[in-house]
Amino acid sequence: KQEVTQIPAALSVPEGENLVLNCSFTDSAIYNLQWFRQDPGKGLTSLLLIQSSQREQTSGRLNASLDKSSGRSTLYIAASQPGDSATYLCAAPNQAGTALIFGKGTTLSVSS
Amino acid sequence: DTGVSQDPRHKITKRGQNVTFRCDPISEHNRLYWYRQTLGQGPEFLTYFQNEAQLEKSRLLSDRFSAERPKGSFSTLEIQRTEQGDSAMYLCASSSPQARAAYGYTFGSGTRLTVV
Repeated sequence: KQEVTQIPAALSVPEGENLVLNCSFTDSAIYNLQWFRQDPGKGLTSLLLIQSSQREQTSGRLNASLDKSSGRSTLYIAASQPGDSATYLCAAPNQAGTALIFGKGTTLSVSS
Repeated sequence: DTGVSQDPRHKITKRGQNVTFRCDPISEHNRLYWYRQTLGQGPEFLTYFQNEAQLEKSRLLSDRFSAERPKGSFSTLEIQRTEQGDSAMYLCASSSPQARAAYGYTFGSGTRLTVV
């Protein structure tokens, strides 16, 4: 059974800092892993999708890495801004590949 | 196409009432998913459709919950005899094998249910 864990649960940083969010998953036989952003009371916005054949994926100031052998993914945010404040969710497919299993998220607060 | 649409955005209902939510997926996506998210938790899988067929249901989907996807287009999620524990954000997502490979899953903005 796929289980996804995210550490830390919450993170507060001053503007401009680089930071890393961690995600671990138990079933490494995944075909991809997806990172989402969620603002309070809102739906999910897809940030990055990493295929199992890729080691990392980049979009602007965001970089996500995937290490299937260790069951880990990281989301790196460079030069953080107050607008980055949100909850970041990591999701991996279940064993059947029919749905996504989510972690509880990391709530990020960036102060100006 | 404007993405996945959910209606209503917010619903407040009295305990014991029935409620129905609607989801319109991206038109070329043949797969549709319902998730539930409570405060401080990640979304939890409820059910999954491929075209009009409901192929998987989570144990979270009690007999008070029913989902349909007539004609393989929009979907509805109905909760009968609502309880306070049903208060949550209900999220809909869609994908297709091709889209999933390229973009993953696309989520809607959700329906926030409050049972009073």
